Amino acid sequence: NAGVTQTPKFRVLKTGQSMTLLCAQDMNHEYMYWYRQDPGMGLRLIHYSVGEGTTAKGEVPDGYNVSRLKKQNFLLGLESAAPSQTSVYFCASSYSTQETQYFGPGTRLLVL
Amino acid sequence: AQSVAQPEDQVNVAEGNPLTVKCTYSVSGNPYLFWYVQYPNRGLQFLLKYITGDNLVKGSYGFEAEFNKSQTSFHLKKPSALVSDSALYFCAVRPTSGTYKYIFGTGTRLKVLA
Repeated sequence: NAGVTQTPKFRVLKTGQSMTLLCAQDMNHEYMYWYRQDPGMGLRLIHYSVGEGTTAKGEVPDGYNVSRLKKQNFLLGLESAAPSQTSVYFCASSYSTQETQYFGPGTRLLVL
Repeated sequence: AQSVAQPEDQVNVAEGNPLTVKCTYSVSGNPYLFWYVQYPNRGLQFLLKYITGDNLVKGSYGFEAEFNKSQTSFHLKKPSALVSDSALYFCAVRPTSGTYKYIFGTGTRLKVLA
């Protein structure tokens, strides 16, 4: 039981490049979330999903897209990376909205 | 606007002394309340949560938290701090209506001195 895994762990992009961050969970959770963590700002919700095939915007969705084609996977895409997207990205999942969120180890992204 | 406040960026405490990490919130209704801990280069780990019931909640690693409805606070406590407790602590609130979103505080760095 691996819990929540994230790929890659670290990435450097040039401005304008695109990439996809992959989140996978093996706990059969319905809810999945993408957050970004920036110094002094805590965690901010980018997008979330309440089930396979559904996604919704969070607090800071601009510049990101997501897809949840399979229940266990939640992908975060950056179509045209900007330096402002330099951050640590965390994926999380939960069985329900009342339950604890389980977090992945994070992806550190640097956009030059 | 709904918000969570962790008024202290950093808390320093001597090993063996009691510790308190503060959290207050401004959310309508009866939200669910959580504490998470983050060690360097790791994701957040669940410590404890309050849904309903006893105002004193016990969690992992000897931590506990006290819910105070009148003060809208959920302070994290531990009777005797360990150096290994040094980490970043986040308070989170899940409103019970209108949204699936959790609201996180900005985090408090706890430093336990040997």
